[in-house]
Amino acid sequence: GAVVSQHPSWVICKSGTSVKIECRSLDFQATTMFWYRQFPKQSLMLMATSNEGSKATYEQGVEKDKFLINHASLTLSTLTVTSAHPEDSSFYICSADPPYLTGPSNIQYFGAGTRLSVL
Amino acid sequence: DAKTTQPTSMDCAEGRAANLPCNHSTISGNEYVYWYRQIHSQGPQYIIHGLKNNETNEMASLIITEDRKSSTLILPHATLRDTAVYYCIVRYIPTFGRGTSLIVHP
Repeated sequence: GAVVSQHPSWVICKSGTSVKIECRSLDFQATTMFWYRQFPKQSLMLMATSNEGSKATYEQGVEKDKFLINHASLTLSTLTVTSAHPEDSSFYICSADPPYLTGPSNIQYFGAGTRLSVL
Repeated sequence: DAKTTQPTSMDCAEGRAANLPCNHSTISGNEYVYWYRQIHSQGPQYIIHGLKNNETNEMASLIITEDRKSSTLILPHATLRDTAVYYCIVRYIPTFGRGTSLIVHP
């Protein structure tokens, strides 16, 4: 089946530093990827839609200058949490849909997630 | 946007069928019903999807009512590893509600 890989799986950083999270589609090309954030005991919250070769589309309330998204190739999207603070500590998850599987539907395959802890 | 309503929690005995309901009364004609699940501390996993007809794959069956206002995900022989939060989604861009926490007990 389709595979979406995230790296790193876990990162600890100091307050004020920036952290980059990678999301790769390993066996398909993805023109669109999605980024989610999940706080403990809560559901996934859609942060942004990452579009290959163009600017990301952010959900309301998500700071685009805080969460920089780059989708420079058809297999890689990156999320950079800039000047991270403890309140940014969360579980970040990406997803993509393999076009050969989805057709008119939109089945998403998810990465395993990145747990960010900001000290 | 079509929204979904699911019970907060359910439990099921191992080996029995788990039937998870979902109401999506505002679904539009071209919107699919998708089911995902999330096992603790992992990324969500796609289970099954459908438009109008009932669907079955190696993981589960999906029963969609004729008016498409509700559906049921069926895990025919639940195992302990099926303990997870199950999400029913009808938006093209997946947005997650609170889902149903299914606990499968021995």
